[in-house]
Amino acid sequence: AQTVTQSQPEMSVQEAETVTLSCTYDTSESDYYLFWYKQPPSRQMILVIRQEAYKQQNATENRFSVNFQKAAKSFSLKISDSQLGDAAMYFCAYRSVLRFGAGTRLTVKP
Amino acid sequence: DTGVSQNPRHKITKRGQNVTFRCDPISEHNRLYWYRQTLGQGPEFLTYFQNEAQLEKSRLLSDRFSAERPKGSFSTLEIQRTEQGDSAMYLCASSLVGGYGYTFGSGTRLTVV
Repeated sequence: AQTVTQSQPEMSVQEAETVTLSCTYDTSESDYYLFWYKQPPSRQMILVIRQEAYKQQNATENRFSVNFQKAAKSFSLKISDSQLGDAAMYFCAYRSVLRFGAGTRLTVKP
Repeated sequence: DTGVSQNPRHKITKRGQNVTFRCDPISEHNRLYWYRQTLGQGPEFLTYFQNEAQLEKSRLLSDRFSAERPKGSFSTLEIQRTEQGDSAMYLCASSLVGGYGYTFGSGTRLTVV
């Protein structure tokens, strides 16, 4: 069975600062995908960034980057230059079929 | 194509009634997924289809829940004899086989009173 654990129910960051959201997972598979999704209040889930397990290079999408540690089964999300629009629930997810963590609520202070 | 569409957006029903939700995926996506999300929690996987075949069902999907995707296009999720514990947001998503990203719909919020 695969499980995804997000140990930070809530995080807060000052506007323009950097924040890192943590995620660990457990799997016996060797090839899989990892994702971070963003869910703004009352809005639909949006893909932020993805990482293929076979790639050693960490994925980057503009202000969003990941630190993927395959041996440690760790997949953290770093948000640089935080903006007010980044405030949302962030879910770490593993697939083949997406299975989500409990989420981290990010608050951005102006 | 306007993305994944779910109807209705909101449903209020009395305990014991049956409800049915519909999901229209992105037309070229051959996989369709149902998730349930309760307040403050991450989405929980319920079931998924590849074309019209239901390939996996979660243990969360009790006998009162049934999902269909008869022609490999839209899907319906039916809950029979609803209970208060069924109150949740029901999310639908679609993807291509081997595709990395899921596209989610806006969800159907069910309230059982």
